[in-house]
Amino acid sequence: QLQLQESGPGLVKPSETLSLTCTVSRGSITSTDYCWGWIRQPPGKGLEWLGIVYYGGNTYYNPSVKSRITISIDTSTRQFSLKLTSVSAADTAVYYCARQKCDDYTLYGIDIWGQGTTVAVSS
Amino acid sequence: QSVLTQPPSASGTPGQRVTISCSGSSSNIGTNFVYWYQQLPGAAPKLLIYRNSERPPGVPDRFAGSKSGTSASLAISGLRSEDEAAYYCSAWDDSLTASVFGTGTEVTVL
Repeated sequence: QLQLQESGPGLVKPSETLSLTCTVSRGSITSTDYCWGWIRQPPGKGLEWLGIVYYGGNTYYNPSVKSRITISIDTSTRQFSLKLTSVSAADTAVYYCARQKCDDYTLYGIDIWGQGTTVAVSS
Repeated sequence: QSVLTQPPSASGTPGQRVTISCSGSSSNIGTNFVYWYQQLPGAAPKLLIYRNSERPPGVPDRFAGSKSGTSASLAISGLRSEDEAAYYCSAWDDSLTASVFGTGTEVTVL
């Protein structure tokens, strides 16, 4: 069973850039049937889909963070990454990386999730 | 800014049937598949229902999804204590070109 593992700093200062990496193990990152994405969950709140990257590099982003987000993929290292610029306390959350079924036009369900990593934005 | 609306809470006694609604619009539920996720306390979400009503391997048939128009529902029959969790609906939104989640429903087993 494919597994995902998030890594990155647990604390980021306001106005700086949040950077996380997700490593894919026990499976392929180059499948054309799946995209790779990020979801977050602020403390005590619901899930927010942030965006995905296709293995070829194309992306879809949530309009609410579109001006600040970049998701990229490196198939040689079996990793994909999230960068979120100009963070504030509102970006404090558990960040999950995930595998989402997709085709050229639409995204489908998220069938594999990482365990999640907590990121706090504070000075 | 969830575009899918769910009731914040639902509850039932063991063995009862609980239904959770998910209300959307023509740009999401109305034209795309609905997915349901279960999030146990302290854990990552897990896919519970895909393509409106299909269950992944290992998901008990006590969980049933349905869709009608711009709304969807998740029914949990034979409620068990281990079903206490948060449940989220999700769909692709053609207007936003993004996946969207529902506001989430906390299910309590009394």
